[in-house]
Amino acid sequence: QQQVKQSPQSLIVQKGGISIINCAYENTAFDYFPWYQQFPGKGPALLIAIRPDVSEKKEGRFTISFNKSAKQFSLHIMDSQPGDSATYFCAASIFGNTGKLIFGQGTTLQVKP
Amino acid sequence: DADVTQTPRNRITKTGKRIMLECSQTKGHDRMYWYRQDPGLGLRLIYYSFDVKDINKGEISDGYSVSRQAQAKFSLSLESAIPNQTALYFCATGEKGRQETQYFGPGTRLLVL
Repeated sequence: QQQVKQSPQSLIVQKGGISIINCAYENTAFDYFPWYQQFPGKGPALLIAIRPDVSEKKEGRFTISFNKSAKQFSLHIMDSQPGDSATYFCAASIFGNTGKLIFGQGTTLQVKP
Repeated sequence: DADVTQTPRNRITKTGKRIMLECSQTKGHDRMYWYRQDPGLGLRLIYYSFDVKDINKGEISDGYSVSRQAQAKFSLSLESAIPNQTALYFCATGEKGRQETQYFGPGTRLLVL
């Protein structure tokens, strides 16, 4: 049973466009929602994270939107660049607990020049 | 030098063989984690450790064992490898109090024939 569901599995966007990746979770105890970025041949690295006390968090071109009632959150990449081409994973955990992260299935993003 | 290193980076083995994947870190973190990554499934937690004497099972620990030899070293063993353990394996570290931010190694690609 996948506790965090991520879509789409793959995404192709033109340079300058907006990339949107969506995640939905089931466990209402989750209260920390990070996004990890993984380049080919590398391990995932934390990109941006949000806690449910805010509905949006922005860092540069990357924004997380969070909808607590719908149990959904999404990553928006504005002005997408070829260097953003990577696999993106959403995740969820119970903050301050064990640090156990439950990951989504991943989205492979390709940004075409 | 990389903060989290994994050896080997690639490994081919045969069904029934015992293998060990090793992870070392220089970040000084007390939390360490082992994940496996499979296409379409994301990353799943195998084992995690808070210190040398505190080891815990994750989502998919069957068929795996771990050893925390020191704060900086955490190894994953497959006692009798089977083909469905073919995957990309990642070690990660986390800092007490900030364990939700995890730092991943470069991964070990394992093929079980």
